[in-house]
Amino acid sequence: GAVVSQHPSWVICKSGTSVKIECRSLDFQATTMFWYRQFPKQSLMLMATSNEGSKATYEQGVEKDKFLINHASLTLSTLTVTSAHPEDSSFYICSARGQGASYEQYFGPGTRLTVT
Amino acid sequence: AQKVTQAQTEISVVEKEDVTLDCVYETRDTTYYLFWYKQPPSGELVFLIRRNSFDEQNEISGRYSWNFQKSTSSFNFTITASQVVDSAVYFCALSGRRGGSEKLVFGKGTKLTVNP
Repeated sequence: GAVVSQHPSWVICKSGTSVKIECRSLDFQATTMFWYRQFPKQSLMLMATSNEGSKATYEQGVEKDKFLINHASLTLSTLTVTSAHPEDSSFYICSARGQGASYEQYFGPGTRLTVT
Repeated sequence: AQKVTQAQTEISVVEKEDVTLDCVYETRDTTYYLFWYKQPPSGELVFLIRRNSFDEQNEISGRYSWNFQKSTSSFNFTITASQVVDSAVYFCALSGRRGGSEKLVFGKGTKLTVNP
């Protein structure tokens, strides 16, 4: 149980285009989803926290207009990188936390974005 | 502010050696959670352990063991009789309850290479 999927697993796009990444909790309802970004050989940095039905909370320094997050249902959150640039190339990982007191987050397999 | 320090950037051992990965944390929360994750070359994070701040008992799971010491704010991870499949980047992470966000703060990771 507690499986989180991401789609696509990798994507290459041209500079200036937008890319949407989906994060789904397959066998549980995720009240909270988190989006992390990981640059090569670096750690994971939290970008934003999204709760179902409400606006996402962005970390300091993360542009909310550039990284649009929608958590429309208890099983799906999307991250849209708008007007992507080469510096947005990174590994994007989502995690989902279910209902209840458990603080464990279940991570998706990640999406590797390359902007040319 | 919460902070996790993994001072060892890279460690290289020979198969069957024991290896300890260090993790030191900082937090003002009295209730918090500590985690270890493994990230193999595929990129997907693999959950290893979660420990809450009230449970200082050491834990052993097969070849893995964890030493939690609140007095030194450390949560070290030992792999006994290492194997080539243990080669990965290992992250220590901290989650608190301040604000109810439960976001994870990751250390910079330790890259472990186990040579045959």
